[in-house]
Amino acid sequence: DADVTQTPRNRITKTGKRIMLECSQTKGHDRMYWYRQDPGLGLRLIYYSFDVKDINKGEISDGYSVSRQAQAKFSLSLESAIPNQTALYFCATSDPSGGRSDTQYFGPGTRLTVL
Amino acid sequence: AQSVAQPEDQVNVAEGNPLTVKCTYSVSGNPYLFWYVQYPNRGLQFLLKYITGDNLVKGSYGFEAEFNKSQTSFHLKKPSALVSDSALYFCAVRDAGSARQLTFGSGTQLTVLP
Repeated sequence: DADVTQTPRNRITKTGKRIMLECSQTKGHDRMYWYRQDPGLGLRLIYYSFDVKDINKGEISDGYSVSRQAQAKFSLSLESAIPNQTALYFCATSDPSGGRSDTQYFGPGTRLTVL
Repeated sequence: AQSVAQPEDQVNVAEGNPLTVKCTYSVSGNPYLFWYVQYPNRGLQFLLKYITGDNLVKGSYGFEAEFNKSQTSFHLKKPSALVSDSALYFCAVRDAGSARQLTFGSGTQLTVLP
């Protein structure tokens, strides 16, 4: 979905390096999410934010941190990357007017490889 | 706690035949259920969702899903498969009364054979 963009699209880095993945959206949604996708495991939630001042840990937050710089921007950081953080990372947004039935809209993903 | 299971990693079907991708869920309250599709090198795209009401939900690209409360299932269906339907399909659930986030299944790779 072109309304949700992620940078970079691909990144190769080394163990111990700090990495930031960025997500921007033009949908005007308050809610934003970071997921990682691993083969056979589906998508797992890392962090989510329901507004700029509301940031929450997801299922697998260890080793990650986030920053919600504005309504439209939500960044994911790996403070010290390790090989088992090699995965496909997705950002998503949703509109709170849908309540708990809100539909999530996904970015194109960032493929991260940690050597 | 909420969970969702997709019991088949891979489903193969011939073009023109009906297809079914299975999903079962577990929530303590009432469920909100979703299907998403992922094409190669793309993000997930929303197909359809069940909130309440009619158990048969119609979505994008001719897909539909049937909510069955007694069997706690939400299977995705299409009457006539196309080669272009080949993709990775994810089921997701949220407990309507309590959960702030979605839980996704592990995904089912659908291959439609010409």
